[in-house]
Amino acid sequence: DAKTTQPPSMDCAEGRAANLPCNHSTISGNEYVYWYRQIHSQGPQYIIHGLKNNETNEMASLIITEDRKSSTLILPHATLRDTAVYYCIVRTYGGATNKLIFGTGTLLAVQP
Amino acid sequence: DADVTQTPRNRITKTGKRIMLECSQTKGHDRMYWYRQDPGLGLRLIYYSFDVKDINKGEISDGYSVSRQAQAKFSLSLESAIPNQTALYFCATSDNRAGGNIQYFGAGTRLSVL
Repeated sequence: DAKTTQPPSMDCAEGRAANLPCNHSTISGNEYVYWYRQIHSQGPQYIIHGLKNNETNEMASLIITEDRKSSTLILPHATLRDTAVYYCIVRTYGGATNKLIFGTGTLLAVQP
Repeated sequence: DADVTQTPRNRITKTGKRIMLECSQTKGHDRMYWYRQDPGLGLRLIYYSFDVKDINKGEISDGYSVSRQAQAKFSLSLESAIPNQTALYFCATSDNRAGGNIQYFGAGTRLSVL
């Protein structure tokens, strides 16, 4: 699985859009980008995933660059409840274990 | 995810004791996983199961065993607990969507081994 790089922390004002970047310069053609978040000491929560097209669901939008070497998770109107560690994970479909490799992620602090 | 239930939520035990952590799910998923998380670190896979008859070791299975009693139940046992097994334990489930990479996690069990 390709390695990902995320900033360790970010701040965002409540009500504003939160844009969380992720670099995955060694991503291969069959690898998808997944985003999870973990609110303090709770179980991780799946947010969104994509291959090369931009994706949107009820939680967030995922923008993947044309060369697929980086992506941005967008929370359009951040709330205090969005304060969490956000993990960007690159994985192929299937694989022997479906083991998700959670790195250190980005701690997003939403400020009132 | 309330569809994935872990019990107990918190447990304090002593070195050498046998302890079982239980996980049940109502999502109808075939795949279940046990992870542990240590402070400041990511999750590490202990065991996983793709169906009732399939059990596989993850990256840190030493000192742990599992039982898949039914499609909906997957238990993790520490045969003889030791202090460095103090951690937050998560159970997760998935189906085949996105190659099994969309996983749903329980609320976790915080285990302290004294």
